[in-house]
Amino acid sequence: QVQLVESGGGVVQPGRSLRLSCSASGFTFSNFGMHWVRQAPGKGLEWVALIWDDGSNKYYADSVKGRFTISRDNFKNTLYLQVNSLRAEDTAVYHCARSPYCSGTTCYAPDYWGQGTLVTVSS
Amino acid sequence: SYELTQPPSVSVSPGQTARITCSGDALPKNYAYWYQQKSGQAPVLVIFEDSKRPSGIPERFSGSSSGTMATLTISGAQVEDEADYYCYSTDSSGIRGVFGIGTKVTVL
Repeated sequence: QVQLVESGGGVVQPGRSLRLSCSASGFTFSNFGMHWVRQAPGKGLEWVALIWDDGSNKYYADSVKGRFTISRDNFKNTLYLQVNSLRAEDTAVYHCARSPYCSGTTCYAPDYWGQGTLVTVSS
Repeated sequence: SYELTQPPSVSVSPGQTARITCSGDALPKNYAYWYQQKSGQAPVLVIFEDSKRPSGIPERFSGSSSGTMATLTISGAQVEDEADYYCYSTDSSGIRGVFGIGTKVTVL
């Protein structure tokens, strides 16, 4: 069965950095695109970033572009999100999620999600 | 930036039909997806590509899309369907994802 397990969250001061990880199992990780989606406490879902199955293409929400970097290691079956210059408004649960298919021009919406890891930005 | 508009809440009696709308200018050319999220849990995909239902999702969940509006219908809503429902699509790039604000469905 598909399993996605996030880690790396915690309490961090404004302006600092974190690297979030997502360990995948139960499917051939290198064949699937991956998304990061976040949810601030008591708020709705916000799409953050997307990476193609081979890592060749990466896309970001305007709210994180230039501060966040998505990457993956297909040998380790692991997805990453490097989050820099953190702000209070980045406080959220960060979910990784699998895209069932990527074509040459887009990746489909997530089908399986992890439970998420909480990032709290506070001084 | 691109937005998908959903009503914040919908209430329905058990056994009745709940309809949740999602409007967006790019919906005529991009698929709509629907997620159910219960309190403290990860989202679950209930409709993909406008109207397709993943395996394991009850038949009472259906989706449709016409023009700039997509609709999730829960026919014969059950108490266990109480949750937040989010529509998802992509912006004009066809790549960057966007979620609606979410609709809280109450069944009572």
